[in-house]
Amino acid sequence: DIQMTQSPSSLSASVGDRVTITCQASQDISNSLNWYQQKPGKAPKLLIYDASNLETGVPSRFSGSGSGTDLTFTISSLQPEDIATYYCQQYDSLPITFGQGTRLEIK
Amino acid sequence: QVQLVESGGGVVQPGRSLRLSCVASGFTFSAYGMHWVRQAPGKGLEWVAVMSYDGINKYYADSVKGRFTISRDNSKNTLYLQMNSLRAEDTAVYYCAKDTQDYTIFGVGNYWGQGTLVTVSS
Repeated sequence: DIQMTQSPSSLSASVGDRVTITCQASQDISNSLNWYQQKPGKAPKLLIYDASNLETGVPSRFSGSGSGTDLTFTISSLQPEDIATYYCQQYDSLPITFGQGTRLEIK
Repeated sequence: QVQLVESGGGVVQPGRSLRLSCVASGFTFSAYGMHWVRQAPGKGLEWVAVMSYDGINKYYADSVKGRFTISRDNSKNTLYLQMNSLRAEDTAVYYCAKDTQDYTIFGVGNYWGQGTLVTVSS
């Protein structure tokens, strides 16, 4: 199974800050990675697919980069509505696996 | 628009069984693989199982293999998860999710149900 190590597990930042979350895969997953945002009581929402493609309707302050084993998710200017937990997910091979999540808070 | 509606959750004793359903609409159900993903209270996301569009191929997480069975009825646009020998650690919200590509198993994308809560407790 491919292990996804996501960091940090929690993050506190101010409105307007640039925020970066990383996911390290235990083996090469090419660009087979999604990034999700999840708010309490809701299903995850896809933000980025294929590591760097912005899902339709998602604000452009969200972006993804990287390939192989080291992938990155960035919010260029944090907004209050971005408070949520973020997950990476690999789909290079079954079983699909998720990172452990990053809880993002406003400072 | 794509809609996925889960049902069948509830409180069940350890060792008992439960069957979840997921009714799909807004897309050609018979053309897409379907997944189950769960989330224990306060925890992260865990992929559970997938079934191919035609019901022939199915894959499971090790944590549920031999206890859970995924199935589908394309005539009813419905996905199922039969859960046997339930354990306390199976307590979670269970989501069904549509695969991103048709006629193959590729991955979970942006279409998820609202989830149904399963609580395993005596």
